[in-house]
Amino acid sequence: SQQGEEDPQALSIQEGENATMNCSYKTSINNLQWYRQNSGRGLVHLILIRSNEREKHSGRLRVTLDTSKKSSSLLITASRAADTASYFCATVPHGSGNTGKLIFGQGTTLQVKP
Amino acid sequence: NAGVMQNPRHLVRRRGQEARLRCSPMKGHSHVYWYRQLPEEGLKFMVYLQKENIIDESGMPKERFSAEFPKEGPSILRIQQVVRGDSAAYFCASSPQGGNEQFFGPGTRLTVL
Repeated sequence: SQQGEEDPQALSIQEGENATMNCSYKTSINNLQWYRQNSGRGLVHLILIRSNEREKHSGRLRVTLDTSKKSSSLLITASRAADTASYFCATVPHGSGNTGKLIFGQGTTLQVKP
Repeated sequence: NAGVMQNPRHLVRRRGQEARLRCSPMKGHSHVYWYRQLPEEGLKFMVYLQKENIIDESGMPKERFSAEFPKEGPSILRIQQVVRGDSAAYFCASSPQGGNEQFFGPGTRLTVL
C-alpha cells in the first residue's frame, strides 16, 4: 500500500502567507524527501531529511520529521505565486537495502494567489 | 551537465500496440528508477535498475511490462499489447547511488486509444 498520506489535499493561500503541508507514513524509514511538481512537468527535489534528523532548512523551506509519530511537515514561508505546484512527500523505507526506491504520498496541491 | 532525458515526451498508441519509453540518466549516474503516475495521483514505483541489472521490479505488472538498462544506451521501459489502463505519465529518475535524492526526467505521457 502507499506509504505516505498527505494533508491537506489542496491548499489555497495569498501571496506572502505561509503554507504548511503534512505527510504521514506507515513504516520505519531511512529518509524522507519532498518534491515539487509543476503542472504537466517532472518532479524537482526540494529537500531530504534523514531518520536521525528532526528539522532541516533550505531557503524558505523548513521540514520537520517526527519518527515517533511517523509524520513530517513542509513549511513554505513568504509564499510566492511561483510556488503554485503539487508537493509530494516520498519515503525510502528502512530495510529496502540500498535500492532507494521512493514511496510517494498522494500530494498536496498548493495554489498561491497573487 | 544535461539532466535526465526522456523520449518521446508524448506517445499515442492504439490498444494492442507496443510502447517503448526511453530514459537517458544524468552523466555519471548508474542507478535508474521508473515510476508511473495516474491522473490526480502520486507516483508509484515500478522498477529499479543498475547497468545491465534489474535490482527491484516489485512494482512492475507481471505481464506485458519489461525494463532494461543496457551497458550502452538508454534505459527502456517496454509495454506490450497496451490497454487503455496503461495511459499515464511515466517518469524516469536517476541517482549516483541508491538511497539519496533522485533526479527526475520530464516524463513520457502515454495515451492509449
